[in-house]
Amino acid sequence: AQSVTQLGSHVSVSEGALVLLRCNYSSSVPPYLFWYVQYPNQGLQLLLKYTTGATLVKGINGFEAEFKKSETSFHLTKPSAHMSDAAEYFCAVSAQGGSEKLVFGKGTKLTVNP
Amino acid sequence: NAGVTQTPKFRILKIGQSMTLQCTQDMNHNYMYWYRQDPGMGLKLIYYSVGAGITDKGEVPNGYNVSRSTTEDFPLRLELAAPSQTSVYFCASRDSGGSGTETQYFGPGTRLLVL
Repeated sequence: AQSVTQLGSHVSVSEGALVLLRCNYSSSVPPYLFWYVQYPNQGLQLLLKYTTGATLVKGINGFEAEFKKSETSFHLTKPSAHMSDAAEYFCAVSAQGGSEKLVFGKGTKLTVNP
Repeated sequence: NAGVTQTPKFRILKIGQSMTLQCTQDMNHNYMYWYRQDPGMGLKLIYYSVGAGITDKGEVPNGYNVSRSTTEDFPLRLELAAPSQTSVYFCASRDSGGSGTETQYFGPGTRLLVL
C-alpha cells in the first residue's frame, strides 16, 4: 500500500523568496513520484516526476524536486517565487513495476505575496 | 488536439435526481479515471478503466456508475444524488505503457452542487 503526506496545507511566501513544499511518501515497493499543479478553476497538470536515475528532477517553470530514499521524501523547491506560482500543488505516488493508479496527497495551497 | 474535455462545467442537482458527467479524450489513451476533489482532501479515485469494456472501482465508488464503450468516452453516472456528492469532478487519461511512469492528463473539471 502507498500513501503520501504533504506537510502544510497552506504555505505563504513573498515574491522572490524560496518556495519549499514538503512531501513524504510511504511505499512497500520502489516508488515513482509526481508533483502536479492546479491553477484556480483548472484541472491538474504535471510539474515533474521521478522515475529512476538522477534523484534531482527538474520540471517546468523553474521547479525542481529531489528524491531522498533514506528520508522517504520528495520535496518541491523553487529558488525565487513569482506571483504566477500561486496555485495548489499535489504530490502523488505510484508503484514501480506497473500500476494503473496514482495516490495523491491532500495538497498544499501556495500563496505568493507581493 | 483538445486533450480531455468534460461537460458540463457546472450543474446544480436536487436531491434524488440523476445525471451523467461526460468525459472525452482525443489522445487514444487506454487508461481513464474519475476523481472527486473536496477542499483539503486531495483527489479521491472513484472509478477507472484500462480499456474499452473494462472498468474497476477506486477508493470511493458508492453512489456512482461508469461505462466504457469506446476508447474516447468515459461517462460517470450519478444515481439518486445526495448532498455528499457535492464536489468537483475531474476526468483524466493516460497512455497504457504499463510501467507506472505515465503522465495523467486532466480535464478542466465539473463542479456539482446537490441541494
